[in-house]
Amino acid sequence: GNSVTQMEGPVTLSEEAFLTINCTYTATGYPSLFWYVQYPGEGLQLLLKATKADDKGSNKGFEATYRKETTSFHLEKGSVQVSDSAVYFCALSDRVGGGADGLTFGKGTHLIIQP
Amino acid sequence: DVKVTQSSRYLVKRTGEKVFLECVQDMDHENMFWYRQDPGLGLRLIYFSYDVKMKEKGDIPEGYSVSREKKERFSLILESASTNQTSMYLCASDAPGRSWKQYFGPGTRLTVT
Repeated sequence: GNSVTQMEGPVTLSEEAFLTINCTYTATGYPSLFWYVQYPGEGLQLLLKATKADDKGSNKGFEATYRKETTSFHLEKGSVQVSDSAVYFCALSDRVGGGADGLTFGKGTHLIIQP
Repeated sequence: DVKVTQSSRYLVKRTGEKVFLECVQDMDHENMFWYRQDPGLGLRLIYFSYDVKMKEKGDIPEGYSVSREKKERFSLILESASTNQTSMYLCASDAPGRSWKQYFGPGTRLTVT
């Protein structure tokens, strides 16, 4: 079955530090990959996605590149802010076309940015 | 903006009670999902539905059932609540053939005592 492995936190960084959160996956076929973010007291929201190998998803200064050869989708940001403090989830979907299926999530990484 | 709303943010129930968690979306999405979120385990899919009256089991359906009588509403039912069902429950919806973006509700934190 599908699975997603991501580094567990909490990860604590100082403001303006460089961020990497590692994510690797196991799936049959060619899944789509996602990063979701959950800010304190809020629901999950999509941060970025990539639907095929070598695609780069980006949003709000965050980036992740779909690496099929290493089955990875690491999240990076060059300079984090206190407002980036949240829980980050890596996820995949092997849904094809118009089908329906849930996402497979990693366990989540709690990121804490200190001023 | 897509809105996914859940009937309660916090709920406390006793062991053995029948519990209903309600979810409503306003974007005419065909697909709706129920996940539970636990520390150290991430999100796990309980059930999903791709059409009215249609349902599919997810990864952890035991102890749960669902109902989808109308397109916009998807209910999660705990027939006889147990303490190991204490968790955060998240509802989501999306449309097939689109960008696979799932829209999530704010969650219901259920405590079973």
